[in-house]
Amino acid sequence: KNQVEQSPQSLIILEGKNCTLQCNYTVSPFSNLRWYKQDTGRGPVSLTIMTFSENTKSNGRYTATLDADTKQSSLHITASQLSDSASYICVVSGGNNRLAFGKGNQVVVIP
Amino acid sequence: EAGVAQSPRYKIIEKRQSVAFWCNPISGHATLYWYQQILGQGPKLLIQFQNNGVVDDSQLPKDRFSAERLKGVDSTLKIQPAKLEDSAVYLCASSEGLAGPQETQYFGPGTRLLVL
Repeated sequence: KNQVEQSPQSLIILEGKNCTLQCNYTVSPFSNLRWYKQDTGRGPVSLTIMTFSENTKSNGRYTATLDADTKQSSLHITASQLSDSASYICVVSGGNNRLAFGKGNQVVVIP
Repeated sequence: EAGVAQSPRYKIIEKRQSVAFWCNPISGHATLYWYQQILGQGPKLLIQFQNNGVVDDSQLPKDRFSAERLKGVDSTLKIQPAKLEDSAVYLCASSEGLAGPQETQYFGPGTRLLVL
């Protein structure tokens, strides 16, 4: 079973609307959690990083939350733009010094 | 600052052929990673170098895959012979220091491989 589960697998939203992506993980011990944005045909780019003591982090219109007790994170996109169309990957770093990658949330923003 | 460079961007080969990918990390970055990303999946680590030494190659199929980073700068990943299931995007990433996954990784654009 994958240590990082993301939902929904894919979603389509109208330009200007908000959306929230979910990430549940079982990695333990926990070190940090990152959200990456991967545009089609490009490598992933880091959006946010949160450690155990942080429960929210913003990067422009992207806001990530972390609940380390329930091992859940979310990425909220505010006022979506066409350029937000991408795959959003949740990546968790654990005590074994290895990264666990989710399969990604595929977001399509339509005009 | 120049990003991680990879070449070629695309490659189509027949099964049982050989193929090599090249990666030039961000200047001064000590750690280099090769990932395999199958369509619809997250990246899977193949090998991690710190300078020119291998830190983790536990998920590298060593019967057909090899990688080197001889001078601690650029790196090559080779597949010989290729199988159909090797069709994927091969991502190279680098990070500045030696703290491994604790650091931000910067990814290249990837090499998209199709094995026919």
